Amino acid sequence: ETGVTQTPRHLVMGMTNKKSLKCEQHLGHNAMYWYKQSAKKPLELMFVYSLEERVENNSVPSRFSPECPNSSHLFLHLHTLQPEDSALYLCASSRTGGPNEQFFGPGTRLTVL
Amino acid sequence: AQKITQTQPGMFVQEKEAVTLDCTYDTSDPSYGLFWYKQPSSGEMIFLIYQGSYDQQNATEGRYSLNFQKARKSANLVISASQLGDSAMYFCAMREESNFGNEKLTFGTGTRLTIIP
Repeated sequence: ETGVTQTPRHLVMGMTNKKSLKCEQHLGHNAMYWYKQSAKKPLELMFVYSLEERVENNSVPSRFSPECPNSSHLFLHLHTLQPEDSALYLCASSRTGGPNEQFFGPGTRLTVL
Repeated sequence: AQKITQTQPGMFVQEKEAVTLDCTYDTSDPSYGLFWYKQPSSGEMIFLIYQGSYDQQNATEGRYSLNFQKARKSANLVISASQLGDSAMYFCAMREESNFGNEKLTFGTGTRLTIIP
């Protein structure tokens, strides 16, 4: 247990569905991250929230919409996804400033049909 | 250009032997950090070890040590006395400076390590 939880662990959705991924951290961190992990590709940083403000958005399509209502919770809202969006979505958190490692959740395995 | 390069897609090692996982990086930033993470089949990324660019000594954490060669821009992970539970994907990552104090990590493609009984 890393102190970062993600739900659901597995999700299968059609291209017309709307779903949300949830991440919660119990570590008192103030930065949270969404990563996408596709087969045979490096982890791709999608979004970063620092002190509940979005500070990074790495050219992610608008069908992915993040939300950070407070420093402990992070959501990724999904709508009209494509089959190539199927991947493992990992959430992480860290403290800001200094060489602080990121703590990762177990991920949500997303399959888009 | 790739910032983190892991040239070993897969490795097989006999149990109890030491193993070295390669990682080279590219940055022009004088201040950076290097991380190694382990990802078992269950999916979560587990932090193993950290090396700062200004650290004088190689980092060690239990059976893990980092062979940091700054001039060569390499940060290889050494696992001593490997165990069956070490079988997993291993990722090298580099921390880049950002304007907001958060830790933006760039990851390599990983090495799948399999320990043979």
